[in-house]
Formats: sequence, C-alpha cells, structure tokens
Amino acid sequence: DTAVSQTPKYLVTQMGNDKSIKCEQNLGHDTMYWYKQDSKKFLKIMFSYNNKELIINETVPNRFSPKSPDKAHLNLHINSLELGDSAVYFCASSVAGLRVEKLFFGSGTQLSVL
Amino acid sequence: KQEVTQIPAALSVPEGENLVLNCSFTDSAIYNLQWFRQDPGKGLTSLLLIQSSQREQTSGRLNASLDKSSGRSTLYIAASQPGDSATYLCAVKPSGNTPLVFGKGTRLSVIA
Repeated sequence: DTAVSQTPKYLVTQMGNDKSIKCEQNLGHDTMYWYKQDSKKFLKIMFSYNNKELIINETVPNRFSPKSPDKAHLNLHINSLELGDSAVYFCASSVAGLRVEKLFFGSGTQLSVL
Repeated sequence: KQEVTQIPAALSVPEGENLVLNCSFTDSAIYNLQWFRQDPGKGLTSLLLIQSSQREQTSGRLNASLDKSSGRSTLYIAASQPGDSATYLCAVKPSGNTPLVFGKGTRLSVIA
C-alpha cells in the first residue's frame, strides 16, 4: 500500500496551459504539504494544510492554488504555466503538529513546461 | 533566516568503506533535525530524526549525531553498500511555526 501517492508521475505541457496534480495519503495524517524541487535539487516548501486549512503559504505565485477537499487529499492546480514552473513537485504528509514534523513523501511529479 | 549546508555535494566511495556526511545550520534554535534519503525518480524517505534535546540516533548501519550549539550534524554510514547509493538530505525544523528547511543534499555513490 502506497502511503502518499501523487498523480501523474510525469506531466509535459505547453506554456499557458492549466494543469493539476493530485495527492492522497492513507496514513491518517492531519497535515499535508506541497514541496518544489528545482533543477539544482533545492527542496522548498510551497504550502501546508492542516485539517483542510491553509497554514503555510511560502510566497508562491497566485497561479498556484492548492485545494484540500478532505484531510486525506491535497491537490495542486497551476494556472497559466510558465517555463520556470518546470520542476519536480512533491506531496508530503505528517502527523498533526509542526513541531515533530516527520514527513512522509510521495514519489514526485516531474513537470516539464515547453 | 535558517540556512542548511551540506558538504560534500557529491561523494564516491568503494564498497565496505565507512563514511561521514556533514550538515551545518546557521540558527541553533531548532526543534529537530532529520536525515532523508532520495533515490532517483522517487520521493524522500525519512531515515533518522533527532530531537533538539538528543545527541544521536541510530538505525542499523546509520548513526546520526547532533551538536545543536555548534549547528552541526553528521550522518555516519558503516560498511557502505552499493544499495546505499542515493542523495542524502538534511533538514532542520526551526523553532516557531516555520516549516522544515532543507539542505541541497549529498549525492553518494558506492562502487562495487
């Protein structure tokens, strides 16, 4: 059983398109995250949700809109894709409470914007 | 602002060697520090988590140490194997309501 699963694994699209990445966790965790790993392999947090509520938004452009229909899902919608959005996007989850924050990661979605 | 640095960026060792990966952070006000492993095309797997009050954690051939006052952590891998080849990332959880801060990782290659 996959603990944190995200789809699709690969996403190739044209500039200006709108796309979504889905994430689901079956660990019963209350907190979910989206991270971006750029070409230099630097991993940075984008968003964090706790029980469907946004708790962290790290100055991400408004074109990125996370949506959490329930605490097991955190989807990422991206409008008007740009070349600089090309990266690997990772979903993660943790037990409630930012203090401990042992993270469980999905396998990533490699987004290529042409 | 917390910054995490990992040295070296890449390391290649023959099978069987013991090795040490280094991580340093600029602000000692942390809740914990984690070491992760990342395989190509895959997500991160948490290896060890050290709370700020702890000095080290061990799991099998892995031992992670934490010296909070000097802002340093090491990951020691004993008797390395080709299957240990991966990128190892260090991340600190700063005090307060702030997310994990990651280093850029050390890419390890263990040669058979």
